[in-house]
Amino acid sequence: AQRVTQPEKLLSVFKGAPVELKCNYSYSGSPELFWYVQYSRQRLQLLLRHISRESIKGFTADLNKGETSFHLKKPFAQEEDSAMYYCALRGGTSYGKLTFGQGTILTVHP
Amino acid sequence: DVKVTQSSRYLVKRTGEKVFLECVQDMDHENMFWYRQDPGLGLRLIYFSYDVKMKEKGDIPEGYSVSREKKERFSLILESASTNQTSMYLCASSGSGTGSLNEQFFGPGTRLTVL
Repeated sequence: AQRVTQPEKLLSVFKGAPVELKCNYSYSGSPELFWYVQYSRQRLQLLLRHISRESIKGFTADLNKGETSFHLKKPFAQEEDSAMYYCALRGGTSYGKLTFGQGTILTVHP
Repeated sequence: DVKVTQSSRYLVKRTGEKVFLECVQDMDHENMFWYRQDPGLGLRLIYFSYDVKMKEKGDIPEGYSVSREKKERFSLILESASTNQTSMYLCASSGSGTGSLNEQFFGPGTRLTVL
């Protein structure tokens, strides 16, 4: 069985501070990991995926297979980063099916 | 741009009613999904479909059924709505293949309230 855990339901930081949203997973094979974001009154959208190894809107995430983690990081948070963030995992041959974590609401204060 | 649309943004139904939620995508995607989104529980997969007339149960299929008669349309059916099915329902679609081809695109959601 595959599982994704986001231990923080809420995370508050001030503008300009570093932010880290935690994500841990359990899966016996080689997973694909994703971060999705939902801004207020917008639809859920892909933020980044681990295989791309890219930075999107200043966010990065590194897959740590030893710690089974995929934490999302940004060195300097902005107010527009305030949103709901979901970590998601896709296993092997599963028709693209995703398993999501519980979500973390990030609030960046001015 | 991929477009996934859902038939209603808000829906209010009574306990015991049969409820249909419709989802349409315009990108010729093979895969379509129905999730429910609840605070503290994240997104949970109800059902998905990888081809016309093909469906598979997700993690929480009880109390729901689905229909996919055409490639672009995936319907979620609540045979007899109950108050514990009050939730936000999200539809998504994706192509097959690897990498960006199988990115899931989401609809705006339907907030269903069962009284």
